[in-house]
Amino acid sequence: DTGVSQNPRHKITKRGQNVTFRCDPISEHNRLYWYRQTLGQGPEFLTYFQNEAQLEKSRLLSDRFSAERPKGSFSTLEIQRTEQGDSAMYLCASSLVVAGKETQYFGPGTRLLVL
Amino acid sequence: DQQVKQNSPSLSVQEGRISILNCDYTNSMFDYFLWYKKYPAEGPTFLISISSIKDKNEDGRFTVFLNKSAKHLSLHIVPSQPGDSAVYFCAASAVSSGTYKYIFGTGTRLKVLA
Repeated sequence: DTGVSQNPRHKITKRGQNVTFRCDPISEHNRLYWYRQTLGQGPEFLTYFQNEAQLEKSRLLSDRFSAERPKGSFSTLEIQRTEQGDSAMYLCASSLVVAGKETQYFGPGTRLLVL
Repeated sequence: DQQVKQNSPSLSVQEGRISILNCDYTNSMFDYFLWYKKYPAEGPTFLISISSIKDKNEDGRFTVFLNKSAKHLSLHIVPSQPGDSAVYFCAASAVSSGTYKYIFGTGTRLKVLA
C-alpha cells in the first residue's frame, strides 16, 4: 500500500502524559499536513511542512504541541502534558504540487483519548 | 467564524436517485474547492475538485458545480449507490494567496437506501 500511513491508530493516555504520533507520507510528496478532527466537526488545520521546513502553524497549535519533519520524509506530532480537550482524531495528509494544482491525501488518522 | 458551511447534517436518498450535497463559503479569496468522503474509522478520501476558473467538473458519477457569485458549491451523485453512504466534507483553499491549508465544512452524512 503506497498511501499515507499513521501510527499508532489508537492511543489512550492519562492527563499530563506526553504522546507522539508518526506520519509516513506518500513517498514523492513534498508537502505534509496535520489536522485535528473532533466529533461533529470537519478536520481543522494544525500545521504544514514543505520538505523539512514548517511553513505555517495554526493558533490551535498551543505551546504543548510540536511537529517535526527532520529529513523531509516522515513527520512526528508530539503533545506534551496532555489535557482532556486534546482528545480527537489527528489526521495527516500529504500532497504534491503539479502545475499549480495540489490535492491532499489523508492517512487513516490516530485517535487519541485522554483520560 | 465558520468560513465553509454545510447546513444539512444529514441526507437520505433512494438507491438509483440523485444525491445533492450543498456547501456555502464566505471567504471570497477561496479559489480551489474539493469534496472528500469519509467512512467511520478511516481518513477522508478525495473525491473531486474544482478550480474557481470553472463552474463544473465531472468525474464518473460525481459532478461538482461552483457558483462563485453565490459562494456556493454542490456535489451531485448520479445514480446513488448504497456504497456511497458516508460523511461528505467540502473543503476550500486560497491557493493564489499562497495558503495551501484546507478549510473544511462540518460534513453531511449521506445515507443511500437500498
